[in-house]
Amino acid sequence: AQSVTQLGSHVSVSEGALVLLRCNYSSSVPPYLFWYVQYPNQGLQLLLKYTSAATLVKGINGFEAEFKKSETSFHLTKPSAHMSDAAEYFCAVSEGNNFNKFYFGSGTKLNVKP
Amino acid sequence: NAGVTQTPKFQVLKTGQSMTLQCAQDMNHEYMSWYRQDPGMGLRLIHYSVGAGITDQGEVPNGYNVSRSTTEDFPLRLLSAAPSQTSVYFCASSQDRGRPYEQYFGPGTRLTVT
Repeated sequence: AQSVTQLGSHVSVSEGALVLLRCNYSSSVPPYLFWYVQYPNQGLQLLLKYTSAATLVKGINGFEAEFKKSETSFHLTKPSAHMSDAAEYFCAVSEGNNFNKFYFGSGTKLNVKP
Repeated sequence: NAGVTQTPKFQVLKTGQSMTLQCAQDMNHEYMSWYRQDPGMGLRLIHYSVGAGITDQGEVPNGYNVSRSTTEDFPLRLLSAAPSQTSVYFCASSQDRGRPYEQYFGPGTRLTVT
């Protein structure tokens, strides 16, 4: 079975600083990886996804993530945080042989300080 | 398109009561799923369906039933509610064309069982 680990349930950065949200996965088959964002009292929306094409994936709102197979990681970054980035971020993996099943990490709440 | 809709938005049940959470999508997506979101645990897959008449269990199926009689609708039934089922429930849908497409999430139903 798949599992996803997000290090740091809360991350706080200053506006304009680098955002780094960590995600590690375990998988016995090639994974498909996703980052979702959830704003308060809303559903989840897709930021970006990795589906075995380019290892550096660019998403919406200036976010990007790099798939590193050797480290089983898919960390999310943004060069310069904006106040509107404050939200909860979830990493998810779907099984390579049953991609209908998504497994989510426990989430990281990003706080952006003025 | 309305996307994925869920009703009700909020619900309070007493232990032992039954209810159905409704989910509908108007994107002609074949794949639909139900998740529950609990603090510090991310989203956990309850049940999913790859098409009308086909359902399967996720990580945490106990206490929940589903059926899929049409492409559009995927209701989640709680037959005898328990306090442990207090959670926020999300329905999601995606295409299922042999690739892991992104999942589109509904706004959620916040359920409290007393």
